[in-house]
Amino acid sequence: DGGITQSPKYLFRKEGQNVTLSCEQNLNHDAMYWYRQDPGQGLRLIYYSQIVNDFQKGDIAEGYSVSREKKESFPLTVTSAQKNPTAFYLCASSPLGRLGGTGELFFGEGSRLTVL
Amino acid sequence: SQQGEEDPQALSIQEGENATMNCSYKTSINNLQWYRQNSGRGLVHLILIRSNEREKHSGRLRVTLDTSKKSSSLLITASRAADTASYFCAHGSSNTGKLIFGQGTTLQVKP
Repeated sequence: DGGITQSPKYLFRKEGQNVTLSCEQNLNHDAMYWYRQDPGQGLRLIYYSQIVNDFQKGDIAEGYSVSREKKESFPLTVTSAQKNPTAFYLCASSPLGRLGGTGELFFGEGSRLTVL
Repeated sequence: SQQGEEDPQALSIQEGENATMNCSYKTSINNLQWYRQNSGRGLVHLILIRSNEREKHSGRLRVTLDTSKKSSSLLITASRAADTASYFCAHGSSNTGKLIFGQGTTLQVKP
C-alpha cells in the first residue's frame, strides 16, 4: 500500500544523545516535511525539502538536522543541541507543484520522542 | 509568526448538532486546507479551498474562505461521535512552498 512510514513510533533518549527519526514514502512525492507538535501549540515546521539533495529550514530548525539523499527518504536527527526535544514528530509528503507548490499533505503516524 | 489562529480552542456539542470552527491567517495564500487528527495519530487531509474560491463542500463538510478578511471557517453538519478529533487549518504560502498550521480546535461530540 502507498503511504508514509515513520519509525520508531516511540523513542526514549537520554540527555546529550542524538537520535534519528526515520521517514519513508512510496508515493513518489517530490516534497517532504518535518513538523513538531507540542500540546496547545499546533504544528511547527522544522525542515522541508522540495527536491532530492536540497532542503530548507522551517521555523524551528535549531537543534535539528536532515538529509535528502533519496526521493523516498527524509530522516530527521534530533541533536543534543535541541534543548527541549520531548515532542510528537510528524513527517509529511506532497506532490510538489500540483496546486502551486502547497498541495495536500500526506502524513505519517508520528514518532513520540521522550527525553529521560 | 506566520502561524494561523483558530477559534474556539475547544468545542463540545451533542451528536446531531452542527460544529463551526474558524481560522485566521496573516499572509497572502494560494490555498487553505483543513485537516483532522485523532488523538496520538497523524493528520488526515479533509478539504482544500483555493484563494479564488469562496465556498466548497465535501459530504457533511462546508468550508468558506474570505481572503479580504484573511479568514476561513469549517462547518461540520449533523455531527457524530466519530467526528471527535482535533481540526487544523493550514495555509499555503504563495511564494515559499511551505504549509503553515494553526493551533487547532479540539472537538468533542457527545453521543
